[in-house]
Amino acid sequence: EVQLLESGGDLIQPGGSLRLSCAASGFPFSIYAMSWVRQAPGKGLEWVATIGGLTPTTIYADSVRGRLTISRDNSENTLFLQMNSLRADDTAVYFCAIRAGVAAAGTRYFQNWGRGTLVTVSS
Amino acid sequence: QSVLTQPPSVSAAPGQRVTFSCSGSSSNIGIQSVSWYQQLPGAAPKLLIYENNKRPSGIPDRFSGSKSGTSATLGITGLQTGDEADYYCATWDTSLSAWVFGGGTKLTVL
Repeated sequence: EVQLLESGGDLIQPGGSLRLSCAASGFPFSIYAMSWVRQAPGKGLEWVATIGGLTPTTIYADSVRGRLTISRDNSENTLFLQMNSLRADDTAVYFCAIRAGVAAAGTRYFQNWGRGTLVTVSS
Repeated sequence: QSVLTQPPSVSAAPGQRVTFSCSGSSSNIGIQSVSWYQQLPGAAPKLLIYENNKRPSGIPDRFSGSKSGTSATLGITGLQTGDEADYYCATWDTSLSAWVFGGGTKLTVL
């Protein structure tokens, strides 16, 4: 059974840093691209970042580029999101998700999602 | 303002059929496949439809998807009270080089 378990969410002051983790199990983690998607309170879903599987190239939403960094440890089956220079509008539940499909064929999708971890940026 | 446009809400009675629309453009839905996600209250999103019209294992055939041009549609037949949720469409936008989601449609089963 696929499991994705996020952790690391907290209350943090504006300008602060935080590192989120997503522990994965039940599937061959290293070969799958992985993503972070967030949801501000009462709002819709917003893609944050994606990292490739075997070739760990990274892509980011404009709203987080330069402040948030996605990475992975395939030996530990863990996905990370390093969050720096946090702002109030980064307040959200952060979900990790398996990004399945074939990018070159235009058929990508988010196959499985974790339950999320809440990040609150406030003074 | 979402790149993909969804109506904010739809409602229908139990047992009826409902459809959800998702409108995009030539740089996203027009050339990329669409996926749909169900988010029950307080829960994580769940994949319902991928590659426009395919259902993951475990998703009943009451759920269906289609795409035409720059729009996509999710359909649910035999509505149940347990289907009350927010429904999101998503795809890749080749101009933005970014994933885009619709704003979500809240389904109320009357």
